[in-house]
Amino acid sequence: DIQMTQSPSSLAASVGDSVTITCRASHSISTYLNWFQQKPGKAPKLLIFAASSLQSGVPSRFSGTGYETDFTLTISSLQPDDFATYYCQQSYKIPHTFGQGTKLEIK
Amino acid sequence: QVQLVQSGAEVKKPGSSVRVSCKASGGTFTSYTFHWVRQAPGQGPEWMGWIIPILGTINYAEKYQGRVTITADRATSTAYMQLSSLRSDDTAVYYCARDQDGTGSYLTYWGQGTLVTVSS
Repeated sequence: DIQMTQSPSSLAASVGDSVTITCRASHSISTYLNWFQQKPGKAPKLLIFAASSLQSGVPSRFSGTGYETDFTLTISSLQPDDFATYYCQQSYKIPHTFGQGTKLEIK
Repeated sequence: QVQLVQSGAEVKKPGSSVRVSCKASGGTFTSYTFHWVRQAPGQGPEWMGWIIPILGTINYAEKYQGRVTITADRATSTAYMQLSSLRSDDTAVYYCARDQDGTGSYLTYWGQGTLVTVSS
C-alpha cells in the first residue's frame, strides 16, 4: 500500500494567519492527491483534487501544490470556519489511502 | 442536487455481520463510482473499497478481503456494504462516497455516515 504521511499532526494558528500542511507519499502518485477538511461529527469535505484543482464552492484562500511524492495545502488568511482537521488522500493506486490528519486549532 | 442517504446506526455482536445501504439521488447512478470509507473513533478515514456499477467492477482494500462485500442495485440506485465476522475494532462510522466524473479519482459527495457499534 502507498503510505501517506502528513505533517505536522497538529498546528495552532490565529485568524488571519497563513498555514501550510505537507503530505508525503511513499511512492510516486503523479498528481493523484486530494485534500479534505473534516469537522467533528461530519463527513470529510473535498477541498482540492488532482493536487491543485480547487473544488467548486471552496474559497480561493485554499490552494494545493505538488507532484509525485511531495504535496502541500496552503490556507491563506485563516478564517474561524477553517479550524478543523485536514486529510490528504492518494487515488493513484488501490487502496486509496489517507494521511493520518492535521488538526488545525485556534491559537 | 446529489444526495447520498445512508441507513441508520447499528449495534452488532462480535462475529455477526452488518449491511449498510447508501441510496443515491441526483445524476445517473451507473455513471459514477461508489466508495466505502470508514473512520474509527478518533482516527483518520480508511478506504475500504469501491464499485463501478456500469462495469460491475469491484475492488477491496486487501485488509478487508474476505470479510467485505460491496454491491449495487441499479434499479433502486443503492449501494451496499456488508462486513462480516465483526470484531470490536470494527466499531466505526461507515461512509459511502461518490466521485464526480466516473474516474474514481476524487470523492465529491458523501453520505451522512452510519455508526456501527460492535459490542457483546
